[in-house]
Order: sequence, then structure tokens, then C-alpha cells
Amino acid sequence: NAGVTQTPKFQVLKTGQSMTLQCAQDMNHEYMSWYRQDPGMGLRLIHYSVGAGITDQGEVPNGYNVSRSTTEDFPLRLLSAAPSQTSVYFCASRPRDRRNYGYTFGSGTRLTVV
Amino acid sequence: EDQVTQSPEALRLQEGESSSLNCSYTVSGLRGLFWYRQDPGKGPEFLFTLYSAGEEKEKERLKATLTKKESFLHITAPKPEDSATYLCAVQAENYGQNFVFGPGTRLSVLP
Repeated sequence: NAGVTQTPKFQVLKTGQSMTLQCAQDMNHEYMSWYRQDPGMGLRLIHYSVGAGITDQGEVPNGYNVSRSTTEDFPLRLLSAAPSQTSVYFCASRPRDRRNYGYTFGSGTRLTVV
Repeated sequence: EDQVTQSPEALRLQEGESSSLNCSYTVSGLRGLFWYRQDPGKGPEFLFTLYSAGEEKEKERLKATLTKKESFLHITAPKPEDSATYLCAVQAENYGQNFVFGPGTRLSVLP
């Protein structure tokens, strides 16, 4: 049972480049979310999904796209990278109707945009 | 405005010196308050869920409590391996299944 797997672990992009951060979970969780973590600001929600085919925006969605074609995968796309997107990105998942469960997080992707 | 704050921002303890971390929240319709531990370079790890005022949860040297406006994470006789950043998060009626996280408290326990 791998939990939530994120790839890559580290990435350096040039301004204007695009890329996809991968996220996969093997726990059959319905809910999946993407957060970014910046010093002093805590975790901020970018996009989330309540099930395959359903996505919605969180607190800081600009510059990012998501899709959820399967229960397992929830990739995050950066359309045109900007230095302000330098951050650590976490993917998380949670089962529906299990209120004792917090979100399970991946190990993160550290992204630097130069 | 809904808000989750944590204090102190950083805390240094000697091994065995007990203390408490605070998480204050201003949300309507609390559905749950969650505590996480985060080690450097890793994702947050779930510790506890609390739902109603007066509730308490314990795990080893950690004990979490909840009131109507805040939660405390009490650390009894901490060890160096308890050093980490501790995050709290709230789930409220108008957030659906999403959580709002506080900025965290960075705990260092010195041997």
C-alpha cells in the first residue's frame, strides 16, 4: 500500500515553461486536493476533486489546471510557469463518509521557477 | 472572515519540559479540527481529529483538546524525536470536504 505518490520530487523550470505534477493514490479515496506550501503562509488549497470527472477551484487556482479522469490520478498542470509559483506542492486524498479520517498527504514536489 | 491561527510560531523545549501549542479558529459550523505533524522535507502526517468542545484525544506523549474557539496540543515530557512542525486544520460547514490550515508551530526539543 503506497498511499499518495507524487512525482517528481524536485523540479526547476524556466519562466514560461509548462509542466505537469503527477499524483496517484491507491486507497480508492474519493476526495483529492492540491495544496501549495510557502514559508509563513501554511498550506493553501489550489484545486480539489470530490470524484472522477469532478473538479473545482480552491483558494489560489490561477495559473493551474487539473483533471480527474480516474479515481486514482489527479495531475496538476502549470500552464506558463512564473517565479511566484516557486513553492512546495502537496497532493492529498481522503475517503468520503469517513469523518475520522484526515487527508493523507504525499511527500511533495519542490518546484523552483527561475 | 474565517481564520485559523497558531501560536507560538516557534518553540524550543528541553527534553522532558512539557508545554502546549495553541490553535485558534474563527469559523462557522465547525465539522472537525485536525492536528498534523510535518517533518522537514516530508508531507504532513495525520495525528488527531476532534469534533466537539470538551473532546480529548491522546497518542503517546501528545494530547489534543478542543474548546469552542481553540484547540491545544499538549506535549508531555517531550523527546528530541518530537521535533517537527505541528499543523492544525479545520473543516467547516461552508468548506465542504476541504480543510483550512493554520501556519504551524515549529517545535524543537533539545537533548
